Amino acid sequence: DTAVSQTPKYLVTQMGNDKSIKCEQNLGHDTMYWYKQDSKKFLKIMFSYNNKELIINETVPNRFSPKSPDKAHLNLHINSLELGDSAVYFCASSQIDRGLEETQYFGPGTRLLVL
Amino acid sequence: AQSVTQLDSQVPVFEEAPVELRCNYSSSVSVYLFWYVQYPNQGLQLLLKYLSGSTLVESINGFEAEFNKSQTSFHLRKPSVHISDTAEYFCAVRDSYNQGGKLIFGQGTELSVKP
Repeated sequence: DTAVSQTPKYLVTQMGNDKSIKCEQNLGHDTMYWYKQDSKKFLKIMFSYNNKELIINETVPNRFSPKSPDKAHLNLHINSLELGDSAVYFCASSQIDRGLEETQYFGPGTRLLVL
Repeated sequence: AQSVTQLDSQVPVFEEAPVELRCNYSSSVSVYLFWYVQYPNQGLQLLLKYLSGSTLVESINGFEAEFNKSQTSFHLRKPSVHISDTAEYFCAVRDSYNQGGKLIFGQGTELSVKP
């Protein structure tokens, strides 16, 4: 019963390639996020989608393109991969509802290594 | 702008000893506060959170954290640690007025429990 799942778990690829990471949540949440964790374990948000609409875009290179086919899925496509893209990418989801608490739940992460 | 500082990057401690992981934040608005734990090669799990009410919050595995508004701190404590508590701990804040807003993470504290 995985709440937030990501595929693949590991991804090793060459510079210049294009790759996608998929995220699905079965929590019924309306908001999903992508975070990047660098080699020093620093976590920073990249994107946020609410009901399939982009609400946060944190100065991420346009080689990164999130796509949300429905509110349960948020995929991340990366073009022309660079060495600096090597990191762990975490998907998260939450439910926004005025008056209620909002907590972000994270997926297990996708470990991307660009060679 | 909000920021989070975790004052210790590494905390080594012996099993059954008490531990405190320090977290300070800065924000011009009211915030929600979170502690997440990341076990080796795993994703982030919510440990505990402060949204409102009692300033002392507890987790199911014996951790507690106290929100101190005057000192802008949210330190995490456990009176007696276990080997299984070895993990990376992240403190995070979110603007309480901006639902769906991004989590701002600290740099992480690596807790290493030795027998």
